[in-house]
Formats: sequence, structure tokens, C-alpha cells
Amino acid sequence: SYVLTQPPSVSVAPGKTARITCGGNNIGSKSVHWYQQKPGQAPVLVIYYDSDRPSGIPERFSGSNSGNTATLTISRVEAGDEADYYCQVWDSSSDHPNVVFGGGTKLTVL
Amino acid sequence: EVQLVESGGGLVQPGGSLRLSCAASGFTFSSYWMSWVRQAPGKGLEWVANIKQDGSEKYYVDSVKGRFTISRDNAKNSLYLQMNSLRAEDTAVYYCARGTIAAANYYYMDVWGKGTTVTVSS
Repeated sequence: SYVLTQPPSVSVAPGKTARITCGGNNIGSKSVHWYQQKPGQAPVLVIYYDSDRPSGIPERFSGSNSGNTATLTISRVEAGDEADYYCQVWDSSSDHPNVVFGGGTKLTVL
Repeated sequence: EVQLVESGGGLVQPGGSLRLSCAASGFTFSSYWMSWVRQAPGKGLEWVANIKQDGSEKYYVDSVKGRFTISRDNAKNSLYLQMNSLRAEDTAVYYCARGTIAAANYYYMDVWGKGTTVTVSS
């Protein structure tokens, strides 16, 4: 089955840029989606189809995907961005397609 | 307002059964794939199951195949998850989510409920 690998944690100072990676075999050939989850809350979609933002998501959130790595970039980080972030793909390579999540990355704002 | 509200969680003994429900409102339920996603205490997100708009396609994570059944009633705008032969490792918050799919290329979930908690313990 397809595996997505994320760093367990990323730390960044307020106002700086945070980059959260998601590694997978030839992930650039797949569409990657990103979710933000704050403690005690449901996940929220922040990036879909590699780099598109749902309405209501700040332009500070952006995404890219190439080769074996997809990246979620958060510019001008704010304290309110502190959360867990998950990447996700749709693995349709078998007769039984399935949704795959990365292990999640905890973003800490210093 | 687009909304998903889960219910049916609770405490159940190992080997027992539970049926989760998800009530949808604010959008045309019958036009969307739907998903169940769970999160064990202190752990990450784990996809559980998907169902197509008309119920004709269903997919499950290997760990629940043969034990869980996803279904929907479009007339009632409702999604269900029948969980049988429950194990301690099924303990989690279960989220209902609305899906968007494009052939073999992508599937993502853009609306999530607040979740319902399932605890499997004797």
C-alpha cells in the first residue's frame, strides 16, 4: 500500500515561513491534499489538488508537489496556525482504491 | 449552512456492535461521495470507508473489512457505519466527511462533522 511520510514536528517563529513536507513514491504523479487540525476540533481542508485553496483559507497557505515530495508552505506564520497538519492522497493503483493520510506534523509557533 | 452531524457513539464491549449515523444538511447529499475517518486517542487520522453517491461502490481500509459496513439513505440525507465485532483498537473519534472525487486522479474531503466517540472496553 502507498505510504506518506511527514516529519513529526516543525517549529517556526511568528512572521516566518513554515514548510511541511510529505514524502511518497512518485507523489508528484498524484494529487495531494492538506488538512489542518487544531486540538479538540475536526480537520479542516486547507489545500486541495496540490495547490488550490478552499474559500476562506488565507493566501498565506500554499502547496506544491513534484517528484517524491509535496510541500505545504505557510507564510507569515501566526500563533493561530499552530496545529497538526496532514497530507492525503487517493491511491487508486489497485482494485481497491483507498484514501491514504500521512502521519501528521505538529506545527509549533515559537 | 453546510453541516454534518454524527451520532451513535458510546461505550461498547469487545465483540459488540454499534451503528453510527451522520445527518447532512445544507447541500445536495445525493451528489457527493461520503467518507468515515477515525482518530484514535493521541494518534493521526485514519480513513475507514468511502461510499459513492448511489451506494454502488464502497471501499474500506483493510483493518475493518468484513466487520464494518458503510451505507447511506439519500432520501434521509444520512450516512451510516455499522460496526460489528468491535475491538479495543477501534476506539477512536469517528468523523463523517463529504468527498469530492475525479476518476482515478483524486479524492479529498472538504466538509467534516465534529465527530462521535467510540470506546471499546470491558
